[in-house]
Amino acid sequence: EVQLAQSGAEVKKPGESLKISCMGSGYAFSAFWIAWVRQMPGKGLEWVGFINGGDSEIRYSPSFQGQVTISVDRSIRTAYLQWNSLKASDTAIYFCARRRDDHGDRRFDTWGQGTPVTVSS
Amino acid sequence: DILMTQSPDSLAVSLGERATINCKSSQSILDSGHNKNYLAWYQQKPGQTPKLLIYWASTRESGVPDRFSGSGSGTDFTLTISSLQAEDVAVYYCQQYYSDITFGQGTRLEIK
Repeated sequence: EVQLAQSGAEVKKPGESLKISCMGSGYAFSAFWIAWVRQMPGKGLEWVGFINGGDSEIRYSPSFQGQVTISVDRSIRTAYLQWNSLKASDTAIYFCARRRDDHGDRRFDTWGQGTPVTVSS
Repeated sequence: DILMTQSPDSLAVSLGERATINCKSSQSILDSGHNKNYLAWYQQKPGQTPKLLIYWASTRESGVPDRFSGSGSGTDFTLTISSLQAEDVAVYYCQQYYSDITFGQGTRLEIK
């Protein structure tokens, strides 16, 4: 069974750093991309960026470029989303999702359970 | 950036009735060479993770009930639930994957 397991909820203070994770299982990790999606409280879905599980190519949404860093460790089938200096406005649930990469097919076919991030002083 | 606009923002439909959600893109998301529309629909039930329902505008993901169908081409798309069930209460999002990724703002579907 294809699964994405995300790290647990985080509570941080403004200015702190954070790295959350998403581990894939049940499929060829290197053959797919991992996307990150933000959902602020009571709001819709926003694409953050994605990373190729094979060659580590990264694409960021212009809205998030420079605000976060996406990385991957293929040896442990895990993708990461990190912040160097959190702001209160980063408070949200962050989902990872498996993104297909087949003849233009870029649907998000499997989602992680979400990692709630709360940033508050 | 391609902007995705859904209508309505919320919708209340009686059990067993048809529900229709619209999605409009700010530019065409049709690859005319392959005759494919780069559009997906997702369902997010309260407190749950999003779930893929439809891709290529009209292809149902494996395991999705056939009461869900997608249609449209170019810039105008529709998700239809032919006979609403109680478990279909959710927020529905369209997503374009023609150029990067953009989601619509979501449509909340409730039981009347």
